[in-house]
Amino acid sequence: NAGVTQTPKFRILKIGQSMTLQCTQDMNHNYMYWYRQDPGMGLKLIYYSVGAGITDKGEVPNGYNVSRSTTEDFPLRLELAAPSQTSVYFCASSFPDAGPGTEAFFGQGTRLTVV
Amino acid sequence: TQLLEQSPQFLSIQEGENLTVYCNSSSVFSSLQWYRQEPGEGPVLLVTVVTGGEVKKLKRLTFQFGDARKDSSLHITAAQPGDTGLYLCAGEVKLTFGTGTRLTIIP
Repeated sequence: NAGVTQTPKFRILKIGQSMTLQCTQDMNHNYMYWYRQDPGMGLKLIYYSVGAGITDKGEVPNGYNVSRSTTEDFPLRLELAAPSQTSVYFCASSFPDAGPGTEAFFGQGTRLTVV
Repeated sequence: TQLLEQSPQFLSIQEGENLTVYCNSSSVFSSLQWYRQEPGEGPVLLVTVVTGGEVKKLKRLTFQFGDARKDSSLHITAAQPGDTGLYLCAGEVKLTFGTGTRLTIIP
């Protein structure tokens, strides 16, 4: 099983450019999440999805957009990149229907630098 | 927003010492999870606690869920360099993470 796969692993963007961070999972998990992690800090939730066609904002959604057209894929879109969006981005998935506190599986992260 | 505050933020101790890190909130959680994250990797689940007062042991790691289900602690006995990492607590279905404790064990 590949688990959660994120692409790209690294990216440098210029201010004002746009890009999409890709995330796909092959575990048939209904819940998917996007987080950002600034140096030395914890994870802040950007957006999450409880199933195909359903998304909702997390703690820090401004400057980002998401879509969930399939169970497997949950891309994160940055429309106008700003230096404040320099961070490491993690995608995760889980299956809460399996019971309370079921494990979330994370991708390897995308390190984004905006210059 | 369910805020999870972790303390201390940073901890550096000698190999063989014991330590405790804390995860606190003003909200009640149906469950809390602890994850460990190593540099360049995503977090990996260590344990889930679901019952108030519950204690779980994972080798030298002991996890406790507060009676009121608002807080949790992680105790490490005889810390080893392999315990070095970022420890994160997380709660609820929306998977909100705490602020993190960066632990360094000095050989």
